[in-house]
Amino acid sequence: KAGVTQTPRYLIKTRGQQVTLSCSPISGHRSVSWYQQTPGQGLQFLFEYFSETQRNKGNFPGRFSGRQFSNSRSEMNVSTLELGDSALYLCASSPPEHPNEQFFGPGTRLTVL
Amino acid sequence: LAKTTQPISMDSYEGQEVNITCSHNNIATNDYITWYQQFPSQGPRFIIQGYKTKVTNEVASLFIPADRKSSTLSLPRVSLSDTAVYYCLVGPDNYGQNFVFGPGTRLSVLP
Repeated sequence: KAGVTQTPRYLIKTRGQQVTLSCSPISGHRSVSWYQQTPGQGLQFLFEYFSETQRNKGNFPGRFSGRQFSNSRSEMNVSTLELGDSALYLCASSPPEHPNEQFFGPGTRLTVL
Repeated sequence: LAKTTQPISMDSYEGQEVNITCSHNNIATNDYITWYQQFPSQGPRFIIQGYKTKVTNEVASLFIPADRKSSTLSLPRVSLSDTAVYYCLVGPDNYGQNFVFGPGTRLSVLP
């Protein structure tokens, strides 16, 4: 099976812009979670989607949003970018029989200038 | 959610067995213990999960005492490529949970 894929791998934006990141989970996985990783804050949970519904959300401002499509692919959007949004954004999917066994993608490295 | 505590860093030499202990005093009855490994600039990779006693797979062993207030990840005969950050997570094995990755344990394997 192909692994979790994320596009784009690298992105450079300026403050105030918005960005959309994409994640394709492993075939058969219906849960997709998003994380932000920075050197200062570590790996932080953003939100989780299951069958097109947001099931859980981390402690991030409303500028961070996401959605999931019927084919389980997911997108996350960050509006009005700030310098502090520079981070590695990771997406993970997990199988229905083992929700805790998350398979992570390679991430999208976002740099905000 | 049960809070976890792990050592911030550990050093080891190639060929040694490494044991990383995680404390989770407030673990709930339906919580599982899950360990992940992360290399720089990559997403974490699932290593092992357990509920009680001992679990072993081709990569590691997980020891969980009867009170389940701690767990120990054991890596047999580590190599330089095992240098990574190891995270211990505690939570139910179902969707909709908030996966909390703490700072993890930075393992450095020396030649």
